[in-house]
Amino acid sequence: GAGVSQSPRYKVAKRGQDVALRCDPISGHVSLFWYQQALGQGPEFLTYFQNEAQLDKSGLPSDRFFAERPEGSVSTLKIQRTQQEDSAVYLCASSTRTGAAGPGYEQYFGPGTRLTVT
Amino acid sequence: LAKTTQPISMDSYEGQEVNITCSHNNIATNDYITWYQQFPSQGPRFIIQGYKTKVTNEVASLFIPADRKSSTLSLPRVSLSDTAVYYCLVGDIPSGGYQKVTFGTGTKLQVIP
Repeated sequence: GAGVSQSPRYKVAKRGQDVALRCDPISGHVSLFWYQQALGQGPEFLTYFQNEAQLDKSGLPSDRFFAERPEGSVSTLKIQRTQQEDSAVYLCASSTRTGAAGPGYEQYFGPGTRLTVT
Repeated sequence: LAKTTQPISMDSYEGQEVNITCSHNNIATNDYITWYQQFPSQGPRFIIQGYKTKVTNEVASLFIPADRKSSTLSLPRVSLSDTAVYYCLVGDIPSGGYQKVTFGTGTKLQVIP
């Protein structure tokens, strides 16, 4: 079946421009995560949605970063007034799981959007 | 969140078994141990998850000692296509409903022909 898709795959923005990155999770997945991955580093948590509710945005680095998931499916990560330090790969992941702990919990990742701010 | 420590890189020849050990001294009672694999230009992919003892699937085995302060991912007979970064994660899923995990820098495995 279809996995998590992200668009665009590559984005070049001039410093100060606004960008919008899209994530299409696996159909029916309740949970959606955004991560930021700098070169040579592991993914770092940005924000989490459970359906349309943004339950955790503690990882967003500044108020220039904004994420939404208005209908509980597609999500958009928006970065306003981009800066060079925003250059990274932005990963989206979805999962069926929510609620109590248990085995078999996994996140399905998309291929990411590589953002380069010049 | 429990912090994990893994080797930065490892090399192995094709056909060998590779064992990657992860330390997580501060693991909590409810924490699960999960390993992900990431190829260049791709998102991470779930490999295996366990709580204690040994777990095996079609891809790998995960060994967890009784004290759970470490875990070892075992890849049998690696091939060139196993060249990737491997991340050890520790976390739980509180009743609030999501697994907030820290990936760390991972172990870069290079398989040599």
